[in-house]
Amino acid sequence: NAGVTQTPKFRVLKTGQSMTLLCAQDMNHEYMYWYRQDPGMGLRLIHYSVGEGTTAKGEVPDGYNVSRLKKQNFLLGLESAAPSQTSVYFCASSLRTVYGYTFGSGTRLTVV
Amino acid sequence: GESVGLHLPTLSVQEGDNSIINCAYSNSASDYFIWYKQESGKGPQFIIDIRSNMDKRQGQRVTVLLNKTVKHLSLQIAATQPGDSAVYFCAEDNYGQNFVFGPGTRLSVLP
Repeated sequence: NAGVTQTPKFRVLKTGQSMTLLCAQDMNHEYMYWYRQDPGMGLRLIHYSVGEGTTAKGEVPDGYNVSRLKKQNFLLGLESAAPSQTSVYFCASSLRTVYGYTFGSGTRLTVV
Repeated sequence: GESVGLHLPTLSVQEGDNSIINCAYSNSASDYFIWYKQESGKGPQFIIDIRSNMDKRQGQRVTVLLNKTVKHLSLQIAATQPGDSAVYFCAEDNYGQNFVFGPGTRLSVLP
């Protein structure tokens, strides 16, 4: 009954470093999403996937890349981290597009 | 894309009172709305949803009201408890592709 698992939970990066955030779900959901959460701005969609091997851009995709090689995993990559990418990142999955999301517990990323 | 906003960023209520959290949405074509609860250090958690063909939906101690005429959504929490303290987000579907979230309202329950 893990649901959506995000790793790591915390990370500090130096400007210019790269990293990958991993999201794994065990509910056999087709749809997966990456959001970032900043104070006073709610959740903003970065990228999403409607199935294995497919990805699409959301509201704020610049500076991020994603991959969905396996149905259960959705990876978010930062090629060259910038201080503006300091945020809390949430992964979510859903059975269908217009359906409630199950969220992970988040990754708090600080770029210095 | 369309945006979803909340009227009040913070709301303080006395324990036992009813809470009303409001949300204004801008896309009249949105068909589906969800309220989420986010406790400190956790991810958002689904509370209740409503489709555009409904005006009201009730759950356990929670009720969501939808007024399509003025594009307004509200979440009512009956007999508010300390465990209800959290940030509440409304979300509207974005042309059936994903969801757009509002900035959130922080609910504080006073003893």
